[in-house]
Amino acid sequence: SSELTQDPAVSVALGQTVRITCQGDSLRSYYASWYQQKPGQAPVLVIYGKNNRPSGIPDRFSGSSSGNTASLTITGAQAEDEADYYCNSRDSSGNLFGGGTKLTVL
Amino acid sequence: EVQLVESGGGLVQPGGSLRLSCAASGFTFSSYEMNWVRQAPGKGLEWVSYISSSGSTIYYADSVKGRFTISRDNAKNSLYLQMNSLRAEDTAVYYCARTIQPDVWGKGTTVTVSS
Repeated sequence: SSELTQDPAVSVALGQTVRITCQGDSLRSYYASWYQQKPGQAPVLVIYGKNNRPSGIPDRFSGSSSGNTASLTITGAQAEDEADYYCNSRDSSGNLFGGGTKLTVL
Repeated sequence: EVQLVESGGGLVQPGGSLRLSCAASGFTFSSYEMNWVRQAPGKGLEWVSYISSSGSTIYYADSVKGRFTISRDNAKNSLYLQMNSLRAEDTAVYYCARTIQPDVWGKGTTVTVSS
């Protein structure tokens, strides 16, 4: 079955730029969505489609895609961006989530 | 305000059954696909099941196929998940989520499968 692969953990210095990646065959056919989840809270959509942000999501969050890899970029990371990030994609028989990336802001 | 509120979670013995509900408000429920997504303690998100807006198309993750049944009642703005033959590994927070790649999530309901 299909799967989406993410690095388990990434760190970034405060104010710097970080890229979180997601790899999977389904990404050749479908755009990824990206979710931020903080402890004890439900996930929040931060990026969807080609590179769209829901209302209320800061413009330091952006998305891109190439081949079988989707990326979430945070430009000028803030302390409040420390969280788990999950990618998501449709596939032929439903839906997939990546394993998640824990982002630490130093 | 767009809102999804899950209910029906609890403690159940292995082999038992539970029915989760999700009440939708603030949007035209009958126009949207819906999903159930779960998260085991300390683990990542796992997609469980999908249902189209009319209920005519349904998908399940392999891990729950044959044991779980998703359904909806558009007249009641409600989504359901009937869970049978529950196992310890089904222990998780279960989220109701709108659209195939979810844009709105409920706060979740906790299911614990233990003797």
